[in-house]
Amino acid sequence: QVQLVQSGTEVKKPGASVKVSCKASGYRFNDYGFMWVRQAPGQGLEWMGWVSAYNGNTNSAQNLQGRVTMTTDTSTSTAYMELRSLTSDDTAVYYCARSGYPYSYGHYWGQGTLVTVSS
Amino acid sequence: QSVLTQPPSVSGAPGQRVTISCTGSSSNIGAGYDVHWYQHLPGTAPRLLIYGNSNRPSGVPDRFSGSKSDTSASLAITGLQADDEADYYCQSYDSSLSASAFGGGTKLTVL
Repeated sequence: QVQLVQSGTEVKKPGASVKVSCKASGYRFNDYGFMWVRQAPGQGLEWMGWVSAYNGNTNSAQNLQGRVTMTTDTSTSTAYMELRSLTSDDTAVYYCARSGYPYSYGHYWGQGTLVTVSS
Repeated sequence: QSVLTQPPSVSGAPGQRVTISCTGSSSNIGAGYDVHWYQHLPGTAPRLLIYGNSNRPSGVPDRFSGSKSDTSASLAITGLQADDEADYYCQSYDSSLSASAFGGGTKLTVL
């Protein structure tokens, strides 16, 4: 069965970077991409971007461009999302989801990773 | 502000039918991009309810249905149950953003 397992809780200081991992299993890794989504406390879901596991192509939200990098490692079937220059506004639960295209849906989701940014 | 607008809240009694709207524009829903719907409970991962405007993944009850017309889409839930109480989000692609977007979310309360 398809499973996405994310890395654990992170606490970062303002200005730091965080890298969240999402390990996939149960399907051929290269056949799908990954969507990254976050939810800040009391807020709705925010689409952050998408990365292809086939060729590494990415598509990211305009408000995050320049700060977010999404990559995949086919040797370990793992997707990564790195966010730099963190502020308190980046405190959120971060999710990965398997998604075929930038305009596609997320059928299978990771369990979420809480990232807290605090001095 | 999202490019997809949802009502902040809807409510209904057990057994009733409710609909949740998702209003977009000519650069997203009106441009022909598919709409997808999710159910989200606090502390859990979002659950895909509808993909491609009106398709249900296996395991999603047929009480949930989706439709799309012009620049908007709707999620209908019939036979409301207590455990339907959750936040619901629509998602579509926007050509002016060159990115996907979620609606602001709708909180469903079962009275």
